[in-house]
Parts: sequence; structure tokens; C-alpha cells
Amino acid sequence: EDKVVQSPLSLVVHEGDTVTLNCSYEVTNFRSLLWYKQEKKAPTFLFMLTSSGIEKKSGRLSSILDKKELFSILNITATQTGDSAVYLCAVFQGGSEKLVFGKGTKLTVNP
Amino acid sequence: ETGVTQSPTHLIKTRGQQVTLRCSSQSGHNTVSWYQQALGQGPQFIFQYYREEENGRGNFPPRFSGLQFPNYSSELNVNALELDDSALYLCASSLGGLAVNEQFFGPGTRLTVL
Repeated sequence: EDKVVQSPLSLVVHEGDTVTLNCSYEVTNFRSLLWYKQEKKAPTFLFMLTSSGIEKKSGRLSSILDKKELFSILNITATQTGDSAVYLCAVFQGGSEKLVFGKGTKLTVNP
Repeated sequence: ETGVTQSPTHLIKTRGQQVTLRCSSQSGHNTVSWYQQALGQGPQFIFQYYREEENGRGNFPPRFSGLQFPNYSSELNVNALELDDSALYLCASSLGGLAVNEQFFGPGTRLTVL
């Protein structure tokens, strides 16, 4: 059965801390891995990763994919209260053309 | 360029009733995917429509059905509602084809079944 597992499920940090969110997957016909941020309703796109070892960066956020070990990490440096959200990892599966999501990591950043 | 929109925002129904949820895709996108997100869970794939044809389906019973119109907007219909159907229903639009393209999500419809 295809699955995406995220850890930790929840995390509480203080402003300024650095966090690492983990995502492992077992999905047949892997095409890409995506990270989304969900604050209230609509998940908003962060990154799409297709190649191993190439880091993608956007401001304080960065992500990398390891296709051999089947995992990805999302790093957030110098966290701010506005980073508080659920971070979703999803794998795009070819053939079915669907995203397989993990349960998400709920990040809370306290001032 | 307009984003993905969904209606209604919230809906309350009772068991056994039927519901129709609507989604307008982002301008230029021809593919709509529907997801169900229960509280505390990640979104689960229901089905996808590409150029008005169903293009993939998840593990949902036949009482979940859909349509895509020539303007690429889409409807999700759920018959014989059950309590477990209470969830946030998300639609996502993308540009279909063989290439992987990111999916843009709408704000969702919160369905409560009493």
C-alpha cells in the first residue's frame, strides 16, 4: 500500500529556533515530492522536488530529497510565529496522477 | 489570473441527504482533483478529472461522483451522506498531461453531516 509518513506529528518551538521536518515515503511510480503549508484551509505550495540531492531554497525554508533512502526533509531557520501551520508532504504518483499525502506535521512557534 | 475557488464555504447536512460541491479551476488549468481531509489527517484523493473525463479514482465508494464541464470547472456529488463524510473537501487544479505540475488548492468546503 502506498504511504507517506511524516514526523514528528507535532512540534512546539520558540521564535528563532531551527526546525527539521521529516517525510518518508513508499509510493509506486514516484514522480515528485511536494511540500505544502496549511494554515487554515487551502494548502499553499512550497516546493516540488524531483531529483535527489538538489536543495531547493526559498527564504528561510529549504528542502532536499533522497530518492535512494526514500525521504525528504524541510528545514525552517530562524522560525517566526507566522510559520505556525501544518506542513504537508505529498508524493505525486504517476499513472494514477494523484498526490498521496502524509498526515502532516503541526508546527507551533511561540514568541 | 484568478485562483481556485470553491463553493459553498460551509455546509451542514443530515445523514442520508445528498450534497453538491463546486470548484472553479485556475485560469488556464484543465485538470481538477478532489480530496477529502478529515480532522487531523492529510488529504485523501477522491478522483481527478482531465478534459471532462475521470482520470483516476481513489478508494471512495460510488456514491462519490463528479463532473467536469467544458470550462473545466467541476462538481463533487455525494449521495446518501454518512457521519464519516464530515470533512474539509478540497479541490486542486493543475495543467494536465504527462509532465508533473504542481496542484493549486482552493480554500475548501467544510461539510458537516449530523
